[in-house]
Amino acid sequence: DSGVTQTPKHLITATGQRVTLRCSPRSGDLSVYWYQQSLDQGLQFLIHYYNGEERAKGNILERFSAQQFPDLHSELNLSSLELGDSALYFCASSRTNNEQFFGPGTRLTVL
Amino acid sequence: QKEVEQDPGPLSVPEGAIVSLNCTYSNSAFQYFMWYRQYSRKGPELLMYTYSSGNKEDGRFTAQVDKSSKYISLFIRDSQPSDSATYLCAMRDAGGTSYGKLTFGQGTILTVHP
Repeated sequence: DSGVTQTPKHLITATGQRVTLRCSPRSGDLSVYWYQQSLDQGLQFLIHYYNGEERAKGNILERFSAQQFPDLHSELNLSSLELGDSALYFCASSRTNNEQFFGPGTRLTVL
Repeated sequence: QKEVEQDPGPLSVPEGAIVSLNCTYSNSAFQYFMWYRQYSRKGPELLMYTYSSGNKEDGRFTAQVDKSSKYISLFIRDSQPSDSATYLCAMRDAGGTSYGKLTFGQGTILTVHP
């Protein structure tokens, strides 16, 4: 158990809908990262927040947004969902950028 | 061409074998190198990280980085059935706009047979 929690574990929704994925980092970690894992693309970096501020962005779609709250938990919002958005979404947290600890993931299925 | 290339395998070895897993990369700005293990339907678990070139050992695991060849390796000694998983290499550069971004290989599927 990495100490990073993610909810929900599974999410099934329809195209065009909007969902919110939640992440609670390990105690004391100020950085939160979001990654997407799909069979064809592998594990892809989406975005990094540090203590509430956005630090780096990957190839995150404009339909996706994230934020980190004062209590350091983070949410990833996915809107206008498409079939291709079906994937595993991981949150990771860290005190240093090198030792990133991953949560169990949220499996999103878009029908 | 992907920034990080990793042979997806699958790799199948008998228990007790030495396993060698490898990644090559093209971005010379990468300075930090990690290996993650991912069991089916679980999140990646950090095994080791190294900075720049050299070796690092932790129990049965040894990580090697050769920056001149842009090549990293993970060796597993005395492999066990519990080592059966997907192994992902990851790397990041020292800063700039990429900051905390890790770039991952595709992962190598390893099976260790009893």
